[in-house]
Amino acid sequence: AQKVTQAQTEISVVEKEDVTLDCVYETRDTTYYLFWYKQPPSGELVFLIRRNSFDEQNEISGRYSWNFQKSTSSFNFTITASQVVDSAVYFCALSGDNFNKFYFGSGTKLNVKP
Amino acid sequence: DTAVSQTPKYLVTQMGNDKSIKCEQNLGHDTMYWYKQDSKKFLKIMFSYNNKELIINETVPNRFSPKSPDKAHLNLHINSLELGDSAVYFCASSQDTQGEAFFGQGTRLTVV
Repeated sequence: AQKVTQAQTEISVVEKEDVTLDCVYETRDTTYYLFWYKQPPSGELVFLIRRNSFDEQNEISGRYSWNFQKSTSSFNFTITASQVVDSAVYFCALSGDNFNKFYFGSGTKLNVKP
Repeated sequence: DTAVSQTPKYLVTQMGNDKSIKCEQNLGHDTMYWYKQDSKKFLKIMFSYNNKELIINETVPNRFSPKSPDKAHLNLHINSLELGDSAVYFCASSQDTQGEAFFGQGTRLTVV
C-alpha cells in the first residue's frame, strides 16, 4: 500500500526564519517517485520537485532544498529565509509501480508572517 | 499559453442537475487525470487516462463519467449532482505515467 504522511497540519513562522516541512512515505515498491507541490491561496497546484527512488542526492533550488532519506522513508522540504509569498499549503506526493496515480499527503499549511 | 486549462473555474448548480467540466492540455502529454480536493484540502485521484484509454477508475460513483476525445482533452461529466459532490476538481497531465503532473487551476463546484 502507498501512503504519504505529513504530520504537520499547520506551521507559522516569521519572515526570514527557516522552516522544514516533513514528509514520510510508505511503499513496498522498489521504484517510486516523490514529489512536492505548492498550493498558494489562489488555489492552483504548482509542481516543485520530483525525485526518483534511486537518487538520494539532496537538491537545492534557490531558497528551497529537499532531503531524501530512504533509511527513514522521508522526503523533507526546507525553505530558507522564508518570505510572505511562501505562504501556501504544501503537498508531498508519491507515485509507485502503478505510476498512473499520485498519492498525496494531507498537506501542511505554511503561514509566513511579516 | 496556459499549459493545462479547465473550464469553468467556478460552477454553482442545484442538486439533481447534470454538469460538465472541460480540460485541455497543450503540453503534448500522454497521460491525463482528474483529482478531487475536498473541503479539508485532501487530494484524491478519480480517473487516469493514458493515450485516451482509461487506466484508473478509483471507485468513483458512476454518476461521474470522464471522456477523452483525444490525447489533449479529458472532460468530466457529472450526472444527478449531489451536495457531497461539492469540491474543487483538478485536471492534470503528465508526459508519461512516471512524470510529474501539471495541474489546471481547478474548478470549484458548489452544489446547492
